[in-house]
Amino acid sequence: ETGVTQTPRHLVMGMTNKKSLKCEQHLGHNAMYWYKQSAKKPLELMFVYSLEERVENNSVPSRFSPECPNSSHLFLHLHTLQPEDSALYLCASSQEVGQGLSSYNSPLHFGNGTRLTVT
Amino acid sequence: DQQVKQNSPSLSVQEGRISILNCDYTNSMFDYFLWYKKYPAEGPTFLISISSIKDKNEDGRFTVFLNKSAKHLSLHIVPSQPGDSAVYFCAASGPRGNLIFGKGTKLSVKP
Repeated sequence: ETGVTQTPRHLVMGMTNKKSLKCEQHLGHNAMYWYKQSAKKPLELMFVYSLEERVENNSVPSRFSPECPNSSHLFLHLHTLQPEDSALYLCASSQEVGQGLSSYNSPLHFGNGTRLTVT
Repeated sequence: DQQVKQNSPSLSVQEGRISILNCDYTNSMFDYFLWYKKYPAEGPTFLISISSIKDKNEDGRFTVFLNKSAKHLSLHIVPSQPGDSAVYFCAASGPRGNLIFGKGTKLSVKP
């Protein structure tokens, strides 16, 4: 497989459930991201992992918990979600080159997303 | 407050004609701009980018223009094809390198 793979493609869960979204990238990238896309809203950055360290948490509620066990895998653990959390969750990866102020990222490669519905 | 704005939610163009998608930004610190294309049930795919040191970048039928003084960029597709029908997202790279996306413009190219 190539690219960025996300599973499951669709998920329906109740507010008391616990579930996890999985993302795997086969591009040899060193940075991974979770984005949320809600209807009629821009893509919102949730979390960034660079070299397996979380470098950004964009004020995301604690009911979303990311995990990056290695540079190829990224998880988003979900618990006690609300109906307004229903959205398309997109994983992406990129190659971060350089360090500090001279660093830059290659364009993001996205997976096909998980369509989450919270009932 | 949105830092990247795509004010046209949709655009309809005849096959063979030019499609022009517009994007405005507010943060003068943005120095790298990208366009992504998204088909239904798929993730966005990178299309073309431009650095702030340039005002034009061309790749086949796709050209991106950047007007820094107006904080405006546009994507031109010519000639437009039915397969270009998709949602197009403009994105800008902030000071820490993370992308800020617009809401997208849905392009429909009619045969």
